[in-house]
Amino acid sequence: SQTIHQWPATLVQPVGSPLSLECTVEGTSNPNLYWYRQAAGRGLQLLFYSVGIGQISSEVPQNLSASRPQDRQFILSSKKLLLSDSGFYLCAWSAPRGDTEAFFGQGTRLTVV
Amino acid sequence: DAKTTQPNSMESNEEEPVHLPCNHSTISGTDYIHWYRQLPSQGPEYVIHGLTSNVNNRMASLAIAEDRKSSTLILHRATLRDAAVYYCILRASLREAAGNKLTFGGGTRVLVKP
Repeated sequence: SQTIHQWPATLVQPVGSPLSLECTVEGTSNPNLYWYRQAAGRGLQLLFYSVGIGQISSEVPQNLSASRPQDRQFILSSKKLLLSDSGFYLCAWSAPRGDTEAFFGQGTRLTVV
Repeated sequence: DAKTTQPNSMESNEEEPVHLPCNHSTISGTDYIHWYRQLPSQGPEYVIHGLTSNVNNRMASLAIAEDRKSSTLILHRATLRDAAVYYCILRASLREAAGNKLTFGGGTRVLVKP
């Protein structure tokens, strides 16, 4: 069966520090991968998606970047965190078809202080 | 991206049905209608999806209008565990169409009263 791992669960980082969140998927190949962010009390905002290794599409201009070094690995990074980067970050995967469901990780709650 | 419109919130009594409407008047012929729900402090969870015909699964039913410009998610007997934000999303059928991405709107917050 397929599983998605996302870590860490919680993170407190000072302003200006770097960030690296990792997401890995097991049990499938060539998935679509997604990074979302949810600010407190708000909806889910799609940040990045990837349809293959090294292929990253950004949805909104921001202080973050994403990379996909391997087929089932998706990394969210920042060189210098801002207070506005605080939020609940979710990784998700789906098969590359619109009639399939997406599976979400447990999320990382990031607080920038 | 084709957009969806949902009411901000709905209330229901426990063990009664809940009908959650969604308008998607700009839906294209190949877009699937997906529903997800998000419980507090958790990631979204898939509920159901459909293209043209009504769909049933163990969680809910999805009724799709004949012109596909609206749909309704039906929770047959609401329980306290069904209290969540429910999202109606249109998803392209082809991967080349921007990665079949799921773009979430505001959703409907469902409150279930005991």
